Amino acid sequence: GAGVSQSPSNKVTEKGKDVELRCDPISGHTALYWYRQSLGQGLEFLIYFQGNSAPDKSGLPSDRFSAERTGGSVSTLTIQRTQQEDSAVYLCASRSDRGRLKTQYFGPGTRLLVL
Amino acid sequence: DAKTTQPTSMDCAEGRAANLPCNHSTISGNEYVYWYRQIHSQGPQYIIHGLKNNETNEMASLIITEDRKSSTLILPHATLRDTAVYYCIVSPLTGNQFYFGTGTSLTVIP
Repeated sequence: GAGVSQSPSNKVTEKGKDVELRCDPISGHTALYWYRQSLGQGLEFLIYFQGNSAPDKSGLPSDRFSAERTGGSVSTLTIQRTQQEDSAVYLCASRSDRGRLKTQYFGPGTRLLVL
Repeated sequence: DAKTTQPTSMDCAEGRAANLPCNHSTISGNEYVYWYRQIHSQGPQYIIHGLKNNETNEMASLIITEDRKSSTLILPHATLRDTAVYYCIVSPLTGNQFYFGTGTSLTVIP
């Protein structure tokens, strides 16, 4: 079956530009997470969506970062006025809250390079 | 902040068991122990999770101490494809945040 997909797979942008990263979760999964992983580092939590509840935005590093989830499915992470330190792999994960195995399934990530 | 402590790196001979330790001395009663791994340039992959009983699946076994302050992930017959970073995470079952930490970089040696 289809897993979590992310697009684009790679993105190169210039400092100061805005970028949008997309995540298509597994169908029916109510929870969706965004993480950031800098080179050689662990995953850094950014934001969490759960159903129709207000998202947990506590991991967003600055107000240049925002995310939305439309219709409880597709999510978009937007970075405004990108900086070189935003260069990282951005990972999305979704989770089902039905059944015993409530685990996160990750997408392949979007590799963002800010020049 | 990560609630777990893991060694930075480990080596294991191909075909031997790989035993990856994790300390989580501040684990709460409702928190599970999860293990994920991340092969180079891929998203993390779920391996196994448990609350207090030992667990086994087709990928690995999870041994949790009686006091739940530490656990060990066991890959019974390591292969070269098991070379990856292994993350131990503690979280409630429907936790809204997973703290991945920096994990253990396992290298399986031919």
